[in-house]
Amino acid sequence: GAVVSQHPSWVICKSGTSVKIECRSLDFQATTMFWYRQFPKQSLMLMATSNEGSKATYEQGVEKDKFLINHASLTLSTLTVTSAHPEDSSFYICSARHPESSYNSPLHFGNGTRLTVT
Amino acid sequence: AQKITQTQPGMFVQEKEAVTLDCTYDTSDPSYGLFWYKQPSSGEMIFLIYQGSYDQQNATEGRYSLNFQKARKSANLVISASQLGDSAMYFCAMRVHHQAGTALIFGKGTTLSVSS
Repeated sequence: GAVVSQHPSWVICKSGTSVKIECRSLDFQATTMFWYRQFPKQSLMLMATSNEGSKATYEQGVEKDKFLINHASLTLSTLTVTSAHPEDSSFYICSARHPESSYNSPLHFGNGTRLTVT
Repeated sequence: AQKITQTQPGMFVQEKEAVTLDCTYDTSDPSYGLFWYKQPSSGEMIFLIYQGSYDQQNATEGRYSLNFQKARKSANLVISASQLGDSAMYFCAMRVHHQAGTALIFGKGTTLSVSS
């Protein structure tokens, strides 16, 4: 089945530094990838939609300068949390749509990245 | 507005019993898809079952079935013969038309605890 790999699975960084999270589709080319954020015991909130070769579409309230998304190839999208602060600590999870997927096909999710900013 | 509502923060069930997790939705789109995902404590999202708005029959996948009541806009997940490994968070999601195409929006989730 389709596999989405996310790296790293967890990261601890100091306040003010930047962190890059990678999302790769291992056995298919994903023209569209999605980035979600999840606080403990809460829902997944869509942050942005990443389309290969074009600018990401951000959800209302998500700072595009803070959460930089790059989808430079059909198998890789990256999320960079710039100048991280403790309130950015969260679980970030990506998902990808298989190009042959139909409306009833599920999204394929990575295993998530737990970010802790100290 | 498009919205998914899960009103049960937590549910408790004993092994081998059945449990129903509630989900209601709101959309004005005539065509939509409803999904259930399981998220264990490790964090990965595991797809369980799908129901399309035009599907005539309720979806079933092994021990999982979906009680789809279109007029009530509900899509409850039924897990039969619960197992200890079913303990996890469960999310109802809906595929919606979106500024960038289509996207999945999620409910707040229900934490299921299965005891022996």
